[in-house]
Amino acid sequence: LAKTTQPISMDSYEGQEVNITCSHNNIATNDYITWYQQFPSQGPRFIIQGYKTKVTNEVASLFIPADRKSSTLSLPRVSLSDTAVYYCLVGRDSNYQLIWGAGTKLIIKP
Amino acid sequence: GAGVSQSPSNKVTEKGKDVELRCDPISGHTALYWYRQSLGQGLEFLIYFQGNSAPDKSGLPSDRFSAERTGGSVSTLTIQRTQQEDSAVYLCASSSMVGNYGYTFGSGTRLTVV
Repeated sequence: LAKTTQPISMDSYEGQEVNITCSHNNIATNDYITWYQQFPSQGPRFIIQGYKTKVTNEVASLFIPADRKSSTLSLPRVSLSDTAVYYCLVGRDSNYQLIWGAGTKLIIKP
Repeated sequence: GAGVSQSPSNKVTEKGKDVELRCDPISGHTALYWYRQSLGQGLEFLIYFQGNSAPDKSGLPSDRFSAERTGGSVSTLTIQRTQQEDSAVYLCASSSMVGNYGYTFGSGTRLTVV
């Protein structure tokens, strides 16, 4: 199972773009990269998933370089409500036994 | 229902007592998963159901833990003779197919063993 490394915490300000990078040096050919968001007292919420290059949805963008050994979650124009823990997961789409690290605690300040 | 519903939201129990945690998944979701999350940590896989069967129970930490799912819908996680180390948030998720990363999680049950 591919292990991921993320910053423990990050701070930013409202209206800024926030980029959270995740390292996954031993990613396998069939592995996807998935990001979840978790607010206090709630379960994680799926944000975005990608395999290579760039994926964008209404919430975020996911940038994946050609070697796929890292990925960057980009949140445009963050607001206070984006304060949460963000998890990066790597694994085959059929693998539910993924390793969940402690995630990145993102704090948005006014 | 519209989302995954878990009950109770909070449970305080005395060491040695049995507890039952309930998960009501999204209607039509065939796959159901239980995870455990300790304070400040990521999720730890416990058990996976496909329909009423549990092809993977490998994450259950001891034989004090068991789970069942009836009618392909509601699932119950039972912890017997609770210990203080069982204190955690127990999360349930469901999806429309195995491994579909569009998991929908419930808000969890916070279990405190005193």
